[in-house]
Amino acid sequence: QKEVEQDPGPLSVPEGAIVSLNCTYSNSAFQYFMWYRQYSRKGPELLMYTYSSGNKEDGRFTAQVDKSSKYISLFIRDSQPSDSATYLCAMSGSSNTGKLIFGQGTTLQVKP
Amino acid sequence: GAGVSQSPSNKVTEKGKDVELRCDPISGHTALYWYRQSLGQGLEFLIYFQGNSAPDKSGLPSDRFSAERTGGSVSTLTIQRTQQEDSAVYLCASSFIRLDTQYFGPGTRLTVL
Repeated sequence: QKEVEQDPGPLSVPEGAIVSLNCTYSNSAFQYFMWYRQYSRKGPELLMYTYSSGNKEDGRFTAQVDKSSKYISLFIRDSQPSDSATYLCAMSGSSNTGKLIFGQGTTLQVKP
Repeated sequence: GAGVSQSPSNKVTEKGKDVELRCDPISGHTALYWYRQSLGQGLEFLIYFQGNSAPDKSGLPSDRFSAERTGGSVSTLTIQRTQQEDSAVYLCASSFIRLDTQYFGPGTRLTVL
């Protein structure tokens, strides 16, 4: 079993929809939770960074962390075609190096 | 300022050849990471450098893989006697300090024929 599980999709939604992306994890030592967006043939770029449990909002994006359930989510409101990309959850804190443990990534397509 | 840069962007090699992949981190970033992204897989940690400390090599898949970081800046990932299963995108990331935000380069796409 992988430390971080993420449904690879693909997920297809109409423009304007609310998108929900999720990851589950097994290592209770994780403390730092991130969402990265990766466009085709590009490197991942950080979208959201959350420490421990709680919610964080940035524009159309909201990240939620529930450590008791070992479950994290990313919500995208008013989705746009430009949001079409692969979304990767990542976690760290189980080692003192800060290395990230990634989910497999969910491919999202927002149709105009 | 400039982001993380990697070269080459694409590399095609024959099975059994050695390859070198280069990473230029963001200036002033002390932590540097290498990850590998295989088709249909998430990113897999390979190696971590922090300042002058001994690197964390725990993610290197075999002794054919090695990496060095010269002068606390540029890093080179070397794969000896490449195999077809080494085909992947190799991504480099840097951060100001460990546990800080990691910024990724565009990656090197390696194809082993």
